[in-house]
Amino acid sequence: GAGVSQSPRYKVAKRGQDVALRCDPISGHVSLFWYQQALGQGPEFLTYFQNEAQLDKSGLPSDRFFAERPEGSVSTLKIQRTQQEDSAVYLCASSSRDWGTVSREQYFGPGTRLTVT
Amino acid sequence: AQSVTQPDIHITVSEGASLELRCNYSYGATPYLFWYVQSPGQGLQLLLKYFSGDTLVQGIKGFEAEFKRSQSSFNLRKPSVHWSDAAEYFCAVENQGGKLIFGQGTELSVKP
Repeated sequence: GAGVSQSPRYKVAKRGQDVALRCDPISGHVSLFWYQQALGQGPEFLTYFQNEAQLDKSGLPSDRFFAERPEGSVSTLKIQRTQQEDSAVYLCASSSRDWGTVSREQYFGPGTRLTVT
Repeated sequence: AQSVTQPDIHITVSEGASLELRCNYSYGATPYLFWYVQSPGQGLQLLLKYFSGDTLVQGIKGFEAEFKRSQSSFNLRKPSVHWSDAAEYFCAVENQGGKLIFGQGTELSVKP
């Protein structure tokens, strides 16, 4: 079946612009994660949804970052007033993990490479 | 604090040679451990995972990893490396909240 998809794959934004990054998880997956991967680094956690509820947003670096998943499926990560330090690859992952289930594997999308000029 | 350390930033091996990538973790409880591979411009692909049970786990593409609690390690191995294995490899531990904590990655180069 289809995997996790993300769009756009590449985004160039001028400093100060707002951007919106989309994630389509695997159908039926209740858990959705966003990670930020800076150049040459491992991914770092941003935020986590279980269905439409945002249960953890401890990794969001500032209040310019906002994520939503209003119907418990597609998610959007929005960055307002982009800064150069926001340049990174933004990865989305989904999982069938739910409280009480065994499976904890996260399936990753190809990422969106954001470049802020 | 939970953390993952991959001591080797870059490793080069000859095609056909064996490979071991090191991973050390810091986690209070029984860890859930993962190895992912990332090719340029691609997302992360799961190679293998350890949840419990047998400490030697087999994964895809001929990879295996051994969980050693006494050493807080989860090293990735492959007996014979192929040129197509050249990529970035990430070790990760899952915390109680479900999020993955990644190491900085090891870039593998394969020379003919």
